[in-house]
Amino acid sequence: RKEVEQDPGPFNVPEGATVAFNCTYSNSASQSFFWYRQDCRKEPKLLMSVYSSGNEDGRFTAQLNRASQYISLLIRDSKLSDSATYLCVVNSGYSSASKIIFGSGTRLSIRP
Amino acid sequence: EAGVAQSPRYKIIEKRQSVAFWCNPISGHATLYWYQQILGQGPKLLIQFQNNGVVDDSQLPKDRFSAERLKGVDSTLKIQPAKLEDSAVYLCASSLGDRYNEKLFFGSGTQLSVL
Repeated sequence: RKEVEQDPGPFNVPEGATVAFNCTYSNSASQSFFWYRQDCRKEPKLLMSVYSSGNEDGRFTAQLNRASQYISLLIRDSKLSDSATYLCVVNSGYSSASKIIFGSGTRLSIRP
Repeated sequence: EAGVAQSPRYKIIEKRQSVAFWCNPISGHATLYWYQQILGQGPKLLIQFQNNGVVDDSQLPKDRFSAERLKGVDSTLKIQPAKLEDSAVYLCASSLGDRYNEKLFFGSGTQLSVL
């Protein structure tokens, strides 16, 4: 079983739609969680951290469910510019070091 | 603020040749990572440095890959000899080293093609 698993997609949705991605992780001791965005042929960039209480940043909402070991990302009122690959990232580190594990990514394509 | 610098941007070599990549992290970042990203996959960690010490190199193919981080700043990743399956983007990332809130900043990557 992979440490971090995501639905690869692709998700193809119309502009203005709401879309949600899920991600599961295997290490119950994982400490912190993130969503990164990666545009085609570009490096990943941090989209948002994911907190236990859930958090929102504009049209983006992230949720964490520690009991079920999954995190989610919700995008409301999607824009053409949201087209990208969304990477689920989990810090499974222990002791004094982090261990950053990336999922394989979910591709999102927004159509006009 | 200057970002993570990587070079070269592209490299094309033949199998069995050697290649080296260079990374200069953001100033003050203690942790440096090398990731391999094969097309259609997420980044896979090859090696992680904390200052100039290795924290994790469990997924580094040590028979052909080597990496060093001299003086806890710049780092180089070398492949010798290269195989066809090494074709990928090699990403360098750095972070402050905050174990509980580790936010990574990536360089633009080096796209390696092995023919």
